[in-house]
Amino acid sequence: GAVVSQHPSRVICKSGTSVKIECRSLDFQATTMFWYRQFPKQSLMLMATSNEGSKATYEQGVEKDKFLINHASLTLSTLTVTSAHPEDSSFYICSAWDREYDGYTFGSGTRLTVV
Amino acid sequence: TQLLEQSPQFLSIQEGENLTVYCNSSSVFSSLQWYRQEPGEGPVLLVTVVTGGEVKKLKRLTFQFGDARKDSSLHITAAQPGDTGLYLCAGTDSWGKLQFGAGTQVVVTP
Repeated sequence: GAVVSQHPSRVICKSGTSVKIECRSLDFQATTMFWYRQFPKQSLMLMATSNEGSKATYEQGVEKDKFLINHASLTLSTLTVTSAHPEDSSFYICSAWDREYDGYTFGSGTRLTVV
Repeated sequence: TQLLEQSPQFLSIQEGENLTVYCNSSSVFSSLQWYRQEPGEGPVLLVTVVTGGEVKKLKRLTFQFGDARKDSSLHITAAQPGDTGLYLCAGTDSWGKLQFGAGTQVVVTP
């Protein structure tokens, strides 16, 4: 089936630094990828939709200058958390729609801890 | 505001018991999906229901889509400890984005 590879799986960074998270679609092309954030014991909240070759669209309340999304190719989307603060600590997950699989497939998530 | 309401939020049962999780919305969905998520991992798709009134079975799991395509349920028969996890329903909104319910944490104890 369709696989989305996400890394790193865990990252700890200092306040004020930036962190990049990568998601790659394996064996299929993803013109659109979705980025979610999940706080402990809560559901996934959609942050933004990443479109290959164009600007990402952000959900209400999500700062586009803080969460930079790049989707430069059909198989790679990146999320960069800039000037991270402890409140950005969360579980970040990407997802893509695979036409052949006829469903959304998710990355394994990235646990970000900002200290 | 969550587009999809899930209930209950938490369910703790003994091995061998049955359980049902509900997913409700005021909106009509062209399809609904159910996922299970383990701690520290991404959600894994269990099933997609498309047709109003549809019932799908996956071993001990039975999924139902309401006639009006606004609600769905997941029923697990003879639950096992391996069924423990966070169960999430999700639907594609009118902008083509997958939105999730709040989730139901299921714990099955031996």
